[in-house]
Amino acid sequence: SYVLTQPPSVSVAPGQTARITCGGNNIGSKSVHWYQQKPGQAPVLVVYDDSDRPSGIPERFSGSNSGNTATLTISRVEAGDEADYYCQVWDSSSDHPVFGTGTKVTVL
Amino acid sequence: EVQLVQSGAEVKKPGESLKISCKGSGYSFTSYWIGWVRQMPGKGLEWMGIIYPGDSDTRYSPSFQGQVTISADKSISTAYLQWSSLKASDTAMYYCAKQETTEDAFDIWGQGTMVTVSS
Repeated sequence: SYVLTQPPSVSVAPGQTARITCGGNNIGSKSVHWYQQKPGQAPVLVVYDDSDRPSGIPERFSGSNSGNTATLTISRVEAGDEADYYCQVWDSSSDHPVFGTGTKVTVL
Repeated sequence: EVQLVQSGAEVKKPGESLKISCKGSGYSFTSYWIGWVRQMPGKGLEWMGIIYPGDSDTRYSPSFQGQVTISADKSISTAYLQWSSLKASDTAMYYCAKQETTEDAFDIWGQGTMVTVSS
């Protein structure tokens, strides 16, 4: 089945930019969604369809997708952005969603 | 406000049965898919299956097929996830989440139901 690979962790200083990658075979041909999960809370959708933001999500969250890598970018990182982040796609060959392995973002 | 409200935490013994629920409100419950996602302690998200309450079309991940049953009662806008015989390895947080189509993002999530299976 389709595999999405994320780095286990990313560390970033406040005010800097965090980039979280999601690797998959020809992922650029798929729509990628990103979720933020803070400790003890349910996941929240932060980016959908590669680069769109749901209402209420700050513009600091943006996404891109090309080739074999999708990227979630968090600009001007704040302490409140510390969380686990998961990418997700629909795998048409198996006809079900697939989640990435998850990335823990630590704000230094 | 669109929301999914899940039933409370459960503590069960191996071999017992269980049915947890997910009640939708603030939208047309029969027009959107509801998916179930497992998160084992300290681990990532795993998709279990989905149901379309409008016609009860149900699909399962191969990893969970035969292990759980997903159902819905559209008269009370509630989806269910059930086990007939729990195992210790079923200990996890379970989330329901809403999708417009099966290929779309999960835009609204329930708060989660923690299931603990221990003798």
